[in-house]
Amino acid sequence: NAGVTQTPKFRVLKTGQSMTLLCAQDMNHEYMYWYRQDPGMGLRLIHYSVGEGTTAKGEVPDGYNVSRLKKQNFLLGLESAAPSQTSVYFCATGRTYEQYFGPGTRLTVT
Amino acid sequence: GIQVEQSPPDLILQEGANSTLRCNFSDSVNNLQWFHQNPWGQLINLFYIPSGTKQNGRLSATTVATERYSLLYISSSQTTDSGVYFCAVEPYSGGSNYKLTFGKGTLLTVNP
Repeated sequence: NAGVTQTPKFRVLKTGQSMTLLCAQDMNHEYMYWYRQDPGMGLRLIHYSVGEGTTAKGEVPDGYNVSRLKKQNFLLGLESAAPSQTSVYFCATGRTYEQYFGPGTRLTVT
Repeated sequence: GIQVEQSPPDLILQEGANSTLRCNFSDSVNNLQWFHQNPWGQLINLFYIPSGTKQNGRLSATTVATERYSLLYISSSQTTDSGVYFCAVEPYSGGSNYKLTFGKGTLLTVNP
């Protein structure tokens, strides 16, 4: 029972490159979320999903896209990475109020 | 949007000391949670507490919803309590997507 996993754990991109971050959960939760954490800023919601096939914008969605084709997976895409997207990205899942977080992905854009 | 302010921003304790962390929020809430982020970055859910008081071992939390604040108490602190403590809330509305707004956190350092 892995809970919430994120792939990859670390990544370095050059400006303009694209990549996809994968969040996978085996908790059968309906709700999934992508956050970014920057120093001194706490966590900010990028996009979220309330169920398979649904996505919605959070607080800071610009420059990111998401997809939830399967209930257990939530993908976060960067089409053209920018240095401002250097951050630690966390995925979270939940059934109702409580959220459970993955271990994070540290992304550096040079 | 809703504002979440945590205090103090930093706190240094000796092992065995007690502490109180505070979270103020600017609007009524459906949902309030406390999280601990350990020094390795992992976020752990401590309490779901939109109102009332809960206790779990050396940790307890109280939310006074009518006055828009929550307190996290840590008693007999241990070095393993070190890390960042976040308060996160969801503003009250007719429905819910369970979206959380996080405060900036309190960095706790417990020295041996």
